[in-house]
Amino acid sequence: ILNVEQSPQSLHVQEGDSTNFTCSFPSSNFYALHWYRWETAKSPEALFVMTLNGDEKKKGRISATLNTKEGYSYLYIKGSQPEDSATYLCAPSGSARQLTFGSGTQLTVLP
Amino acid sequence: AAGVIQSPRHLIKEKRETATLKCYPIPRHDTVYWYQQGPGQDPQFLISFYEKMQSDKGSIPDRFSAQQFSDYHSELNMSSLELGDSALYFCASSLGGKAFFGQGTRLTVV
Repeated sequence: ILNVEQSPQSLHVQEGDSTNFTCSFPSSNFYALHWYRWETAKSPEALFVMTLNGDEKKKGRISATLNTKEGYSYLYIKGSQPEDSATYLCAPSGSARQLTFGSGTQLTVLP
Repeated sequence: AAGVIQSPRHLIKEKRETATLKCYPIPRHDTVYWYQQGPGQDPQFLISFYEKMQSDKGSIPDRFSAQQFSDYHSELNMSSLELGDSALYFCASSLGGKAFFGQGTRLTVV
């Protein structure tokens, strides 16, 4: 099981602001990096799966980058909206069959 | 589109009882994962199955066992329940890529 760190733990931003947060993981034995969005009382929703160093993925206003050599991934949200409020979890996997979740970044977007 | 189905959604058991949680993965997904999320805690990986064989094992207590059946559904069996087993249990399935989660089973041990 990999050690995963996400920062910051929580974040409050104003509607319209852009924001980003970090997922750090061991760079050895890396297979893939998953980002999930988890709203209260709902199950996690998969946002991205990235495997290659330098990967960039985008879904609407949300994008993510991956650096496997130094062991980090950034998630960016452009023009945050109240509906973006959720906990964002990253989960690197050291093999295809196990995901280790970070503690998440709790984002609150204030109207 | 079909999603991951977990049953039951809620379960209340007494200490020392046994509970069985079921997970029905998305059709054609070959991997099932089980996670436990205690109150205010990160999700903890319990166990995973690939093609009906145990693939990886995480922090699953010896009192728990799991298996994946020929129809790919999976069951998590929990015996001698303790108060600390009260948690949300998530199942997820994947086909080598993104994992899709079920709604979870909330187990309360009283």
